Amino acid sequence: AQKVTQAQTEISVVEKEDVTLDCVYETRDTTYYLFWYKQPPSGELVFLIRRNSFDEQNEISGRYSWNFQKSTSSFNFTITASQVVDSAVYFCALSEGNQFYFGTGTSLTVIP
Amino acid sequence: EPEVTQTPSHQVTQMGQEVILRCVPISNHLYFYWYRQILGQKVEFLVSFYNNEISEKSEIFDDQFSVERPDGSNFTLKIRSTKLEDSAMYFCASSLQRSGANVLTFGAGSRLTVL
Repeated sequence: AQKVTQAQTEISVVEKEDVTLDCVYETRDTTYYLFWYKQPPSGELVFLIRRNSFDEQNEISGRYSWNFQKSTSSFNFTITASQVVDSAVYFCALSEGNQFYFGTGTSLTVIP
Repeated sequence: EPEVTQTPSHQVTQMGQEVILRCVPISNHLYFYWYRQILGQKVEFLVSFYNNEISEKSEIFDDQFSVERPDGSNFTLKIRSTKLEDSAMYFCASSLQRSGANVLTFGAGSRLTVL
């Protein structure tokens, strides 16, 4: 079974549209951490956010926001007013114990 | 901002050849990792390293793979006899702590192409 599921393989939006990337995770631990990483076309993995399992407050950072809902085991990522530079593959990840699991990634293309 | 550096950025090799991928983790980090991403697929864990020994490894990390921290700054991944299916992007990462809260800082990756 997948620990982290990103059901959206590819998404295309027109610049300035909002877009939400879905992430559903599976764990039996009560303490765990969730992450989002961005992989731009250049290939590196860039850390975006970490959230611990005890903090369900949504977070906003500029045009980025994250919605963590334990009830549905989801940690969704929204980009508002998307820009071409947001085009990348976005990975959701789960850390439980000392294991780190990545989802399969969502490839986002922002069309100018 | 401190970063993890990896060399080479791209290496092409013949099947059966040995390859060494190098990484310089962030200087005060204590835990080191190698991950692999086959083109278009997810990022997969290979191995973690702490206190000069392997702490965990995945099924992918078989006898063809080895890691070493030869001089206190470099962290290397060696593939003894490369196979076509070893073609992938290899990411090195480091972290300050080992707990689940650790934020892994990744390098830019080394793309390995096996012909």
